[in-house]
Amino acid sequence: GEDVEQSLFLSVREGDSSVINCTYTDSSSTYLYWYKQEPGAGLQLLTYIFSNMDMKQDQRLTVLLNKKDKHLSLRIADTQTGDSAIYFCAETPVSGGYNKLIFGAGTRLAVHP
Amino acid sequence: ETGVTQSPTHLIKTRGQQVTLRCSSQSGHNTVSWYQQALGQGPQFIFQYYREEENGRGNFPPRFSGLQFPNYSSELNVNALELDDSALYLCASSLEEGRGGELFFGEGSRLTVL
Repeated sequence: GEDVEQSLFLSVREGDSSVINCTYTDSSSTYLYWYKQEPGAGLQLLTYIFSNMDMKQDQRLTVLLNKKDKHLSLRIADTQTGDSAIYFCAETPVSGGYNKLIFGAGTRLAVHP
Repeated sequence: ETGVTQSPTHLIKTRGQQVTLRCSSQSGHNTVSWYQQALGQGPQFIFQYYREEENGRGNFPPRFSGLQFPNYSSELNVNALELDDSALYLCASSLEEGRGGELFFGEGSRLTVL
């Protein structure tokens, strides 16, 4: 089946690194995404990775993909209070086309001084 | 700013009524998809439109329907509203069907059903 799981909550100190983890079920997923959602807002695309890659870096963000274990992680370096939000992992199962994303329930990141 | 705009931003309806939500895709994007996000949950895929035709649907009943217009803007219609339809409805657009990667969302329309 299609399922994405994430831990629900993460608390970090400002300036530390945050690592948000996600597992997915469809080994055929072609793209895997990370979105950020602030209170009352829509989804902001942070980054995505194609399934033939195992790492992607974009400024403070590093995505690691372990296809064997179907595990995706997002590392945020030098976490700031503005990074406090809900982070969603999503996969694109091959059955649905590229615009059908399966989302996890989201990880709430709290950054404290 | 993604260039995907949705209206209205908030609305309140009563059970049994009908609602229409609207979405303007980012310029040049010809594929639009709709998602429902209930409180405290991740978004769930409703359906997708490409070149004015529905070409993918999630696990939603037929009272959820949509349209895509020649300018690629889109509507989501929900008939016979139920309390559980209360949610944030998100529209997403992408460059073209068959190319993954950049899928941009609007700010959403928050629907409350009383």
